[in-house]
Amino acid sequence: DTAVSQTPKYLVTQMGNDKSIKCEQNLGHDTMYWYKQDSKKFLKIMFSYNNKELIINETVPNRFSPKSPDKAHLNLHINSLELGDSAVYFCASSQEGGTFGNQPQHFGDGTRLSIL
Amino acid sequence: AQKVTQAQTEISVVEKEDVTLDCVYETRDTTYYLFWYKQPPSGELVFLIRRNSFDEQNEISGRYSWNFQKSTSSFNFTITASQVVDSAVYFCALSEARHSGAGSYQLTFGKGTKLSVIP
Repeated sequence: DTAVSQTPKYLVTQMGNDKSIKCEQNLGHDTMYWYKQDSKKFLKIMFSYNNKELIINETVPNRFSPKSPDKAHLNLHINSLELGDSAVYFCASSQEGGTFGNQPQHFGDGTRLSIL
Repeated sequence: AQKVTQAQTEISVVEKEDVTLDCVYETRDTTYYLFWYKQPPSGELVFLIRRNSFDEQNEISGRYSWNFQKSTSSFNFTITASQVVDSAVYFCALSEARHSGAGSYQLTFGKGTKLSVIP
């Protein structure tokens, strides 16, 4: 059983298009995240949600809009894609509850986004 | 601000050699957590270990061991008798509490160390 699943695994599209990446976790976790991994493998957080509420919103262009319909899902919509958006996007989840920062995050397999 | 430094960008070892991956961190928090993740060539991120700032005991799990030294702000990772399957990028990460409340912390990752184990 996949714990954190992302779709699609690969996404190739043209500049200017709008695309979405979906993420679902079946671990019962209350917190979900989006990370971006650039071509040099550097991982940086973009957003975090706890029980459907946006908690962390890093300095990310407002073309990126996360949506959490319930605590098991966190989708990422990207408008007007640019060349610089090419990266691997990882979804993750953790169970925070009343203890903060000490729970490991479980990652999906990533979505490789390539902008032509 | 927090920072995680993995000074070794790439390491190559011959199979069965021991190898240590270094991680040095900076934080003003008194309570914090450190993690190691593995990213094999297939691309997924695999959680390896978590350590909190109050627990300086070293940990061993099979061929893996971790040495946490608060005095030097280091959390190093040693693989004993390396195997080809250990070839991966290894990330050290530090948790940072942005504010109180669940979901408010974030992981700050180091830039990773690419380990190649040569048969």
